[in-house]
Amino acid sequence: EVQLVESGGGLVQPGGSLRLSCVVSGFSFSNYYMSWVRQAPGKGLEWVASLKQDGSERNYVDSVKGRFTISRDNARNSVYLQMSSLRAEDTAVYYCARVKQGDAGSMDVWGQGTTVTVSS
Amino acid sequence: DIQMTQSPSTLSASVGDRVTITCRASQNINNWLAWYQKKPGKAPKFLIYRASNLESGVPSRFSGSGSGTEFTLTISSLQPDDFATYYCQQYITYWTFGQGTNVEIK
Repeated sequence: EVQLVESGGGLVQPGGSLRLSCVVSGFSFSNYYMSWVRQAPGKGLEWVASLKQDGSERNYVDSVKGRFTISRDNARNSVYLQMSSLRAEDTAVYYCARVKQGDAGSMDVWGQGTTVTVSS
Repeated sequence: DIQMTQSPSTLSASVGDRVTITCRASQNINNWLAWYQKKPGKAPKFLIYRASNLESGVPSRFSGSGSGTEFTLTISSLQPDDFATYYCQQYITYWTFGQGTNVEIK
């Protein structure tokens, strides 16, 4: 069964840091582009970051550039999101998503999400 | 940046109704468009890719059409499980979601 499981969310103070993890199973992880998408309370979905299969290409939404870093460990079937200088507006459920192979961008498999709350 | 605008924001409908949601892109995205269903507390569910291709396992009452800047998602006969929020997403240049359309019970 294809599965993505996120972890690492929690309560953090403004200016703090957090590292999210997403462990995958059921497919050949190293063959897939991976992404993080978030949903703030009462808001819509927002793409956050994406990473190429070999880690050579990273892309970020403007609002997190310079503060968030996406990375992966293909040996551990894991993708990460290192978040620093966190702001209240980063409060959201963060989803890990697999980019559909052969389609260049749609996201066909999603994790259940991990909640990040930035508050003092 | 490419902006995606969905209409309506909220749609009230009954079981059995035909429902259509529109998504407009701020520039030409060819057919690089996907649709997702989102329910509270659940992961988004992937429905359609490249504007009109139904993902495996998605009921055939869902269909997508369009190209360029205007796209539609149609549910031919609304079922109880379909009450949810629907999002379009462009992926020709990075990724952008529409603001969502909430399909609620009339």
